[in-house]
Amino acid sequence: DGGITQSPKYLFRKEGQNVTLSCEQNLNHDAMYWYRQDPGQGLRLIYYSQIVNDFQKGDIAEGYSVSREKKESFPLTVTSAQKNPTAFYLCASMSGRNEKLFFGSGTQLSVL
Amino acid sequence: AQKVTQAQTEISVVEKEDVTLDCVYETRDTTYYLFWYKQPPSGELVFLIRRNSFDEQNEISGRYSWNFQKSTSSFNFTITASQVVDSAVYFCALTYNFNKFYFGSGTKLNVKP
Repeated sequence: DGGITQSPKYLFRKEGQNVTLSCEQNLNHDAMYWYRQDPGQGLRLIYYSQIVNDFQKGDIAEGYSVSREKKESFPLTVTSAQKNPTAFYLCASMSGRNEKLFFGSGTQLSVL
Repeated sequence: AQKVTQAQTEISVVEKEDVTLDCVYETRDTTYYLFWYKQPPSGELVFLIRRNSFDEQNEISGRYSWNFQKSTSSFNFTITASQVVDSAVYFCALTYNFNKFYFGSGTKLNVKP
């Protein structure tokens, strides 16, 4: 079945550590997105990528980095510069026809 | 500026009651797109509906219906005869260019048996 796979489901970060969240899609979608969800808040855009080897900052990009070396993969690195990384992270993708966002099942990141 | 407001933080109803989730949006663009997504406890957002700004027809899909009114900048979602499986967080969202989607803060719906 086609879809978006995020891993791991739960991730723990130690102080000063960088961690990478995986997002893989087999929908052949061009665009991919990373959102952050905090309790009681809506989704906030971290980064998005419309095509391979190109990505743009969203509203809260500070402390995060991404890469888009392959169409199907869009990993997100939470760096030590992100001082409040505890949140639920959602990856999404969309086809070139701009119909709707498809979401993965998310990764819950917590700080030890 | 784009903004989506879901003023209802949490709603609790008893099974079989009807419930309406409110969504008010702000945009200066004449062409835009509105969405509703459902987020069950599993975490993944599930697409429910998309509406284009130039199509104000209301839509019904089974127990779900949507009321789009440009005059009041609202896109409300009604569940008729609610069921326990409807319990989830519901998000309203807006985009004008499909680069950025603006999400409301969500409404948590609790349907009790």
